[in-house]
Amino acid sequence: GNSVTQMEGPVTLSEEAFLTINCTYTATGYPSLFWYVQYPGEGLQLLLKATKADDKGSNKGFEATYRKETTSFHLEKGSVQVSDSAVYFCALKPTGSGGYNKLIFGAGTRLAVHP
Amino acid sequence: DTEVTQTPKHLVMGMTNKKSLKCEQHMGHRAMYWYKQKAKKPPELMFVYSYEKLSINESVPSRFSPECPNSSLLNLHLHALQPEDSALYLCASSPPFRDPGYTFGSGTRLTVV
Repeated sequence: GNSVTQMEGPVTLSEEAFLTINCTYTATGYPSLFWYVQYPGEGLQLLLKATKADDKGSNKGFEATYRKETTSFHLEKGSVQVSDSAVYFCALKPTGSGGYNKLIFGAGTRLAVHP
Repeated sequence: DTEVTQTPKHLVMGMTNKKSLKCEQHMGHRAMYWYKQKAKKPPELMFVYSYEKLSINESVPSRFSPECPNSSLLNLHLHALQPEDSALYLCASSPPFRDPGYTFGSGTRLTVV
């Protein structure tokens, strides 16, 4: 079946540190991959996406590359800020989900950045 | 308008009450979703509407009743809920047949007492 595995948190970093949050997936075919971010007390916001192998999604200094050979979509940022503190969810849309996007989420990774 | 608006933001209800959650979007999205999120957990899909028709019901108990009156509105009717139904209820929408990802609302935090 389809599944997403994320590294367990919390991840605690100092401001300006380098961030990596690991995400691997299991799926048949060619799923689309997403990173969502959830700030405290809010809904989820799409951070970035990639729809085919070797695509790189990027937004607000965050990047992730769709690696089919390692079935991974790791999230990276070169220099984190306190305002990046949030929960990050990796998600996939299976191939052939039809006319709507049935997303499968990972468990989420909490990031805490301190000054 | 690039938002999904959910009302109310907070709701406290007794186990014998009937209440409704409302979700609205004006982006022309034809797929709309209800998710349930417990604390420190990922969202869990409940229902999917595609072109105002119920496409997916993830074996949700009948005390949750979705309704899609038109392409911009999605309701979730609640009746005889249990305390374990307390959670953040998220609405989302997306265009069909494309992969831009969902647009989520900020959610309704429901407490059942």
